[in-house]
Amino acid sequence: DIQMTQSPSSLSASVGDRVTITCQASQDISNYLNWYQQKPGKAPKLLIYDASNLETGVPSRFSGSGSGTDFTFTISSLQPEDIATYYCQQYDNLPAITFGQGTRLEIK
Amino acid sequence: EVQLVESGGGLVKPGGSLRLSCAASGFTFSSYSMNWVRQAPGKGLEWVSSISSSSSYIYYADSVKGRFTISRDNAKNSLYLQMNSLRAEDTAVYYCARGTPFNDWGQGTLVTVSS
Repeated sequence: DIQMTQSPSSLSASVGDRVTITCQASQDISNYLNWYQQKPGKAPKLLIYDASNLETGVPSRFSGSGSGTDFTFTISSLQPEDIATYYCQQYDNLPAITFGQGTRLEIK
Repeated sequence: EVQLVESGGGLVKPGGSLRLSCAASGFTFSSYSMNWVRQAPGKGLEWVSSISSSSSYIYYADSVKGRFTISRDNAKNSLYLQMNSLRAEDTAVYYCARGTPFNDWGQGTLVTVSS
């Protein structure tokens, strides 16, 4: 199975900061990489699909980039409502879909 | 508005069985693949199983293969997960999710496996 290594595992930042999370795949997954946001006690929400496409209705401060094995998720200006855990997910190696271990984002 | 509502969770003893359901509305259910994803308490997300729109393709994570069975009834707009031979490590919130990528998620149903 393809392993997804997400870093950092936790992150503390101030409102207005630029925040970056990385995800590395154990083998080439092209652009079959999605990013999800999960707020405490809630279901995950799709933010970015196919590495760089913003899901409808998601604020433009969220973005994604990368291909192959290295991917980046960015919040350009952190807002208080962005406090959540973020997960990357690969689906290149169907049927084995795998998630990163998550990045817990807190406000400093 | 897309709605996915899971049900059927609860407390079950190790070795027992449980059937989860996911009622879908707000979209053409028969046109989408569907998935089950779980999250153990305080842990990350784990993909469990997927089924194609017409049930032609079915996939399982190695951790549940041979014990869990995914199915769907397009006439009833419903997704199911039959879970047998349950273990303590199956304790989790189980979510159903629509499509690939997982565009929409239900609120989840908690399954607790404990004696």
